[in-house]
Amino acid sequence: DGGITQSPKYLFRKEGQNVTLSCEQNLNHDAMYWYRQDPGQGLRLIYYSQIVNDFQKGDIAEGYSVSREKKESFPLTVTSAQKNPTAFYLCASSNGDSSGANVLTFGAGSRLTVL
Amino acid sequence: GQNIDQPTEMTATEGAIVQINCTYQTSGFNGLFWYQQHAGEAPTFLSYNVLDGLEEKGRFSSFLSRSKGYSYLLLKELQMKDSASYLCAVRWSWGKLQFGAGTQVVVTP
Repeated sequence: DGGITQSPKYLFRKEGQNVTLSCEQNLNHDAMYWYRQDPGQGLRLIYYSQIVNDFQKGDIAEGYSVSREKKESFPLTVTSAQKNPTAFYLCASSNGDSSGANVLTFGAGSRLTVL
Repeated sequence: GQNIDQPTEMTATEGAIVQINCTYQTSGFNGLFWYQQHAGEAPTFLSYNVLDGLEEKGRFSSFLSRSKGYSYLLLKELQMKDSASYLCAVRWSWGKLQFGAGTQVVVTP
């Protein structure tokens, strides 16, 4: 079955450590996205990539980094510079058509807790 | 930024109907999505509206009025499994997709 796989599902980190969240898709989608979800707030876009080897900052990119070396993979690194990293992180993909019903397919999420 | 407003929580009884409203600023509107998200899980696509009117898909329907900056998601014949958060998202003409904070629907027996 086609879909998006995120790992790990739960992750604990000490302050000052970088962590990398994995996102893999086998939907042959061109575009991939990382969102952050906090209680009482809408999903906020961290980074997105519309094509391999290219990515753009979203609304809250500070303290995060990404890479897109393969079409299937879009890992997110939460760096020690991110002031409040405890959150639920969602990866998504789409066929990249910015017009019309560009439906996002989401992964199951990774919950990061900073101790 | 553009505001997208939806109620925080709604409670309804199994078998009943619930209407979740979503309002947004009309300038730059280019389409509206509804997603369902069960706790700790991935959001899943429910509907997309870009023209005025009602789109029906089984027990779920979505309505859009572009001039009023208003949409609703109607859930009929509520089932316990419908307890979830419902996310309204607006695509703006400059390409950005913006999500509302979500409405938590609680279905009681």
